[in-house]
Amino acid sequence: DSGVTQTPKHLITATGQRVTLRCSPRSGDLSVYWYQQSLDQGLQFLIQYYNGEERAKGNILERFSAQQFPDLHSELNLSSLELGDSALYFCASSSLGRAGDTQYFGPGTRLTVL
Amino acid sequence: AQSVTQLDSQVPVFEEAPVELRCNYSSSVSVYLFWYVQYPNQGLQLLLKYLSGSTLVKGINGFEAEFNKSQTSFHLRKPSVHISDTAEYFCAVSESSNFGNEKLTFGTGTRLTIIP
Repeated sequence: DSGVTQTPKHLITATGQRVTLRCSPRSGDLSVYWYQQSLDQGLQFLIQYYNGEERAKGNILERFSAQQFPDLHSELNLSSLELGDSALYFCASSSLGRAGDTQYFGPGTRLTVL
Repeated sequence: AQSVTQLDSQVPVFEEAPVELRCNYSSSVSVYLFWYVQYPNQGLQLLLKYLSGSTLVKGINGFEAEFNKSQTSFHLRKPSVHISDTAEYFCAVSESSNFGNEKLTFGTGTRLTIIP
């Protein structure tokens, strides 16, 4: 158990819908990362937050957005969903968000878009 | 920008035999290197990482990796594998010095299958 929790574990929805994925980092960790794992794209970095502020952006679509709240939990919002958005979405956290810090991964949310 | 190449998508190995999973990276700046393991239906778990110092890094579960700067490689090894090592293994890099770019760039993964 990494100490990172993600809800829900599974999500099945239809094209065009909007969903919210939630992540609670390890106690004391200030930085949260979101990654997408799909068969065709592999594991890709989406976005990083540090203490409530966006720090880095990766291959995140404009239909996707995220935020980190004062209690440090984070939410990833996916809208206008397409079939290709079906994937496993991981949240990771690290203590200070520095290069070289170990990122601890949650168990993931499996999103299926029908 | 960095990139990671894991040359073998699948590696079958007999139980108690040694294994090497290969990883090569490309980057114009200094990097940190990581190996993560993903067991079925689970998240990723750090096996080991190289930040600086000794090029031979020891990790959990008997794994070790060697950083070779001239060959831009970070191969993962284990002298004797067990059934429980069956999993997907990911090599990853991050820039070592660029604030605001601590993301991990992953390879495509190597599926290790242990044959009894």
